[in-house]
Amino acid sequence: GENVEQHPSTLSVQEGDSAVIKCTYSDSASNYFPWYKQELGKGPQLIIDIRSNVGEKKDQRIAVTLNKTAKHFSLHITETQPEDSAVYFCAASYGGSQGNLIFGKGTKLSVK
Amino acid sequence: NAGVTQTPKFRILKIGQSMTLQCAQDMNHNYMYWYRQDPGMGLKLIYYSVGAGITDKGEVPNGYNVSRSTTEDFPLRLELAAPSQTSVYFCATEGADTQYFGPGTRLTVL
Repeated sequence: GENVEQHPSTLSVQEGDSAVIKCTYSDSASNYFPWYKQELGKGPQLIIDIRSNVGEKKDQRIAVTLNKTAKHFSLHITETQPEDSAVYFCAASYGGSQGNLIFGKGTKLSVK
Repeated sequence: NAGVTQTPKFRILKIGQSMTLQCAQDMNHNYMYWYRQDPGMGLKLIYYSVGAGITDKGEVPNGYNVSRSTTEDFPLRLELAAPSQTSVYFCATEGADTQYFGPGTRLTVL
């Protein structure tokens, strides 16, 4: 079946440093790649997304890059702050439908 | 505007019992989803609906049923609960190309 691999599973950075989380996907038809932030006891919250016709997207301190040839996409957080500490999930659409998402297993980011 | 609401927040079931997890939204979104999240894992799609009267299976539908009689409500039914269904269940809607998640229901089957 379709699969999304996410690395690393845990990431610890110093406040002010950058954090990078990487994902690879298997479905060549995937065309939508959202990133979610999940705080303890809450549902996931969309923080940024990218579609297959774009290579990079930026929103303030957060950026996402997509390499469709290599089937991987990455989340970049610059100038990290303690409130960035959370679990981050990447996802990729499958079956040609934006709403059907396969999720990675998550990255627990700690900003100290 | 409450967004996506889920009830109950917590529930403990015995093996073989049944229950319905409720999900309601007031954003008039056609697309709704049910996911489960096991400890340390990402979310897996159980069922989804593209509008009232239309539902379809996701990645892990076995042991679950859904119905969508109105745009607002999308209940998830568990029949004959099993320990493997211990998880956190999230309902979500989709509008303006964005998915909005509810706060989740934590279910334990003993």
